Amino acid sequence: SAVISQKPSRDICQRGTSLTIQCQVDSQVTMMFWYRQQPGQSLTLIATANQGSEATYESGFVIDKFPISRPNLTFSTLTVSNMSPEDSSIYLCSVGAAGDTEAFFGQGTRLTVV
Amino acid sequence: GESVGLHLPTLSVQEGDNSIINCAYSNSASDYFIWYKQESGKGPQFIIDIRSNMDKRQGQRVTVLLNKTVKHLSLQIAATQPGDSAVYFCAENSPNSGYALNFGKGTSLLVTP
Repeated sequence: SAVISQKPSRDICQRGTSLTIQCQVDSQVTMMFWYRQQPGQSLTLIATANQGSEATYESGFVIDKFPISRPNLTFSTLTVSNMSPEDSSIYLCSVGAAGDTEAFFGQGTRLTVV
Repeated sequence: GESVGLHLPTLSVQEGDNSIINCAYSNSASDYFIWYKQESGKGPQFIIDIRSNMDKRQGQRVTVLLNKTVKHLSLQIAATQPGDSAVYFCAENSPNSGYALNFGKGTSLLVTP
C-alpha cells in the first residue's frame, strides 16, 4: 500500500487569502485525486491531477479557484484561492486507480476560514 | 451565517453483535465498489472491495454483499468491537467516470459496551 503524507494537517486562514496543500506519496503513482469533505458530509471529487498536463476538474470546481500542480509521479499540490468561510472543509489527497488498484487516502487537511 | 452540516444516519449496536450497513447506488454501469472506514480526524481507510462480477466477498470479520438487480451494497461486520465505531462510506466507480470514486453519504456506526 502507498503511504501518503499531506501538509499541513490543519490550518486556520483569513478570508481572501490562499492556502497550498501538499501531497507526497512514497512511490510513483499514475493517478492522484483531490477530494473535499465538508463538515458532516461525504467526499466530493474536486479534480484528477495529471502528471505533465492540466488537471481535470469536476463540475462545480474551476482551475482559478483550485489550481493544482503535478510536477512528478510522487507529488501534487492543491491551492484553495481567495478563501471564504464556505471553503472550510477537509481536503484529501488520494492515489491509486479504482478498479485497477486500491485507492488510498491521505490523512487530510482540515481547513477553517475565518 | 453559520452553516450546519447534514446529520449522517446512525447505527447503534452493542459490542459483540453483528452490524449491517447498507448503501444504495444509482449508476447501473458501476462495476467496482469499495467500503471505507473513517475515524474522527483521519482520512478514509480501505476496508474491502468487490467487483460487479461477484455478489459476495469476505474479509477478516467483514463481508460485502452486492445485489446488482436492486443496486444495493451492504457491509456486514461480525462481532462488532468498540474500535469499529466510525463513519462508513461506500464508494463506486464506473468505466465512464475514469478512475475516480463516487462516494455515498455515509453511516455513523456507534458501538456501545
